[in-house]
Amino acid sequence: NAGVTQTPKFQVLKTGQSMTLQCAQDMNHEYMSWYRQDPGMGLRLIHYSVGAGITDQGEVPNGYNVSRSTTEDFPLRLLSAAPSQTSVYFCASSLLNGGRYEQYFGPGTRLTVT
Amino acid sequence: AQSVTQLGSHVSVSEGALVLLRCNYSSSVPPYLFWYVQYPNQGLQLLLKYTTGATLVKGINGFEAEFKKSETSFHLTKPSAHMSDAAEYFCAVSVGSGYSTLTFGKGTMLLVSP
Repeated sequence: NAGVTQTPKFQVLKTGQSMTLQCAQDMNHEYMSWYRQDPGMGLRLIHYSVGAGITDQGEVPNGYNVSRSTTEDFPLRLLSAAPSQTSVYFCASSLLNGGRYEQYFGPGTRLTVT
Repeated sequence: AQSVTQLGSHVSVSEGALVLLRCNYSSSVPPYLFWYVQYPNQGLQLLLKYTTGATLVKGINGFEAEFKKSETSFHLTKPSAHMSDAAEYFCAVSVGSGYSTLTFGKGTMLLVSP
């Protein structure tokens, strides 16, 4: 199993550009989520999904869109990038059941918006 | 809503000394509690977790944590620090029997000196 994979590893965008961060998992996990990590802020939840066709907002959803058309993939879209979205983005997946199961994290995407 | 407080953004110890990283949580329902470790430029790795049962939890790399409901704490300890323990450590909480959403603390950077 590859686990949770994220692409790209690094990305530089100009303000106003759009892009999609890719996340895929091969563990047949129902739950997938996106976090952003900023210095001194820990990880904050952007969006999550409990299964194909079901998504919901987390703590910091503004400026981001998600969709879940398959169990395996959970892409994160930035519609119009802003410097405030400069961050490291992590995708995670797990089985459901209230945190009883381990969440597996991808290696991260480091995004810089200029 | 649940929250996590990690006391100390940086903790410095000497190699061989006791490691103590503090975590307090706030939750109106019984929580699940986690410690994750992040090595430089990597994703997050689960160290240990408490869901139910024994309140002293042992994890990987010699770390352990004790759930103290009366103190709303879940401090992480290791008897003897190694240079390889230098990393950032995150405490996280998940509540409820439904979804797997984690709320993270802001992290504590552990520095180990020879």
